This record gives sequence, structure tokens and C-alpha cells, in this order.
Amino acid sequence: EAQVTQNPRYLITVTGKKLTVTCSQNMNHEYMSWYRQDPGLGLRQIYYSMNVEVTDKGDVPEGYKVSRKEKRNFPLILESPSPNQTSLYFCASTSRREGPDTQYFGPGTRLTVL
Amino acid sequence: LAKTTQPISMDSYEGQEVNITCSHNNIATNDYITWYQQFPSQGPRFIIQGYKTKVTNEVASLFIPADRKSSTLSLPRVSLSDTAVYYCLVGEDGGATNKLIFGTGTLLAVQP
Repeated sequence: EAQVTQNPRYLITVTGKKLTVTCSQNMNHEYMSWYRQDPGLGLRQIYYSMNVEVTDKGDVPEGYKVSRKEKRNFPLILESPSPNQTSLYFCASTSRREGPDTQYFGPGTRLTVL
Repeated sequence: LAKTTQPISMDSYEGQEVNITCSHNNIATNDYITWYQQFPSQGPRFIIQGYKTKVTNEVASLFIPADRKSSTLSLPRVSLSDTAVYYCLVGEDGGATNKLIFGTGTLLAVQP
């Protein structure tokens, strides 16, 4: 089954404790992105990647890091999480062959930073 | 990036046709219009996409006038399970840069 998976689905942590949210897709997509969703603000792009070893900042990259060492994986790293990073996070992937703007989203990771 | 404007919320009843209109006055020549559906605590799901005139699939229809400054998502005979947030997006360079701008969407509430 074609899908985007994220782990963990739920995470409660404390300020300053480094964490990684994993994202993996099995569709051989070259494009991958991370979004955060907050009430009243909609979905905002954090980082995106056009292909292996190619990443770029989205609209809200502060406090986040990403890496794209393999085509299928695109982990999101919070080196020193803070309470304002409490949010619902989505990973997405797509490919040029899918058509413009047609992204496949993962199930989401709900993060709480105390 | 073209900004989109759509109603914050809409109400409907089961079996009715629902039309959600989105305005995008600054749409660029290369931009496509894409609609996503999102249920609570789930990732958005692609519904339909078009460039001009009319597009129809098994889920919805998309109407785009000649000036492309607006678009209308049409959901035929909605059911309770269509209650969700619907986002209208206008891509940058047809999505070539993988950058999507989601607004706050339209919350569609379908009642029995």
C-alpha cells in the first residue's frame, strides 16, 4: 500500500530534550515536506526537500532541522524543543509524475512540549 | 504566491449539493488550482485539481471560469462523512518547487 508513515504518532516531552520525528514514504517520491498545523493558523510549511541531500526552508523553519540522506526518509529534528513547538506535525511527499501540488500526507504526529 | 480567500465555514444537509467558492485574484499563468480535504487529526487528502474550465472525478467537480480568478468546488449529494475542512490552494510554478500554501480552509458541517 502506498503510504507516508510517521513515528511517533504522539509525543510528550520537556523543554530542551532533543527529539526526532521520523517520516518515511514507499512511493519513490523525490519531494518531501514537513508542515505544522496550529489552531487558527492552518498548515505551515517548515522544511522541504527536492531530492536526496537537497533541502530548503519553508515558512517557519526556526527551531527545526531536517536531513535527507535517503530518498524514502525525511526526519524532522528538534534540537532543543520549546513549548511554542507544541503542535500537530505532518510529513508529505510527492513526485513530478503525480502532477503539480498533489501531495500525500502522513497521519500526523501530535507533539506536546512541557 | 497567489493568496486564496474562501469562506470560513458552511452548513449543509445530507443529500444536498455543496458549492465552495475560492477567490485567487493574483493567480499566475502557470498556477494550478488544487483542493484538499482534511478530517480532524488526519493529514489533508488531495481531492481534485484543475487549470481551467471544468474537471470532474469520482469525488467532486471543479469549475474554473475563463479569468481563473476564482474556482468552485462542487460536492454532489453530501453525506455526514463529508464533514471536514476543505482547502483551496494555488501553486507556485505549478507545484514544481513543492511549496504549498494552505490557508485556514472552509469548515463544512453536514447535518442529518
